[in-house]
Amino acid sequence: QKEVEQDPGPLSVPEGAIVSLNCTYSNSAFQYFMWYRQYSRKGPELLMYTYSSGNKEDGRFTAQVDKSSKYISLFIRDSQPSDSATYLCAMSAGIKAAGNKLTFGGGTRVLVKP
Amino acid sequence: DTAVSQTPKYLVTQMGNDKSIKCEQNLGHDTMYWYKQDSKKFLKIMFSYNNKELIINETVPNRFSPKSPDKAHLNLHINSLELGDSAVYFCASSQDYGTQYFGPGTRLTVT
Repeated sequence: QKEVEQDPGPLSVPEGAIVSLNCTYSNSAFQYFMWYRQYSRKGPELLMYTYSSGNKEDGRFTAQVDKSSKYISLFIRDSQPSDSATYLCAMSAGIKAAGNKLTFGGGTRVLVKP
Repeated sequence: DTAVSQTPKYLVTQMGNDKSIKCEQNLGHDTMYWYKQDSKKFLKIMFSYNNKELIINETVPNRFSPKSPDKAHLNLHINSLELGDSAVYFCASSQDYGTQYFGPGTRLTVT
């Protein structure tokens, strides 16, 4: 079993819908949680960054972390065709001496249809 | 201005050859990474350098050798390339916990 599990999708939604993405993890040492967006043939770009449990909102994006359940979510409101991409969750224990190692989920492919 | 750049963008080569990929960051970060992304999009850490010192060395064949001439550069040399080395290789850099910025990737195809 992988350390971080993420449904690969694809997840297809109509424009304007809410996109709901999630990851589960097994390592209780993880404290830093990130969501990256990756367009086809491009590098991952950081979308959201959260420390420990709680919610964080940035424009149309909301990230939630529930450490007790080892579950994180990303919601995209008013989805646009330009949101079509692969979304990767990533986590870190935040130990600098260990090189800030990020462990990624396998990514969920999202398709927003006009 | 490109924050993290990689060269080349595409690399097609034959089995058994030796090749290098270069990475440069102009963000002033002190830590750089190499990741491998396979055909199923799974992104896995290979190496990490902090101020030219090797910090992370995951279970990677010793045909792969990273080199950091200074903290703004991290190169990856691969000896005796195999078919299974075909993947996209990403360089990344960071200054604090977890906020890693990725380059555009190098798509390696071994034939």
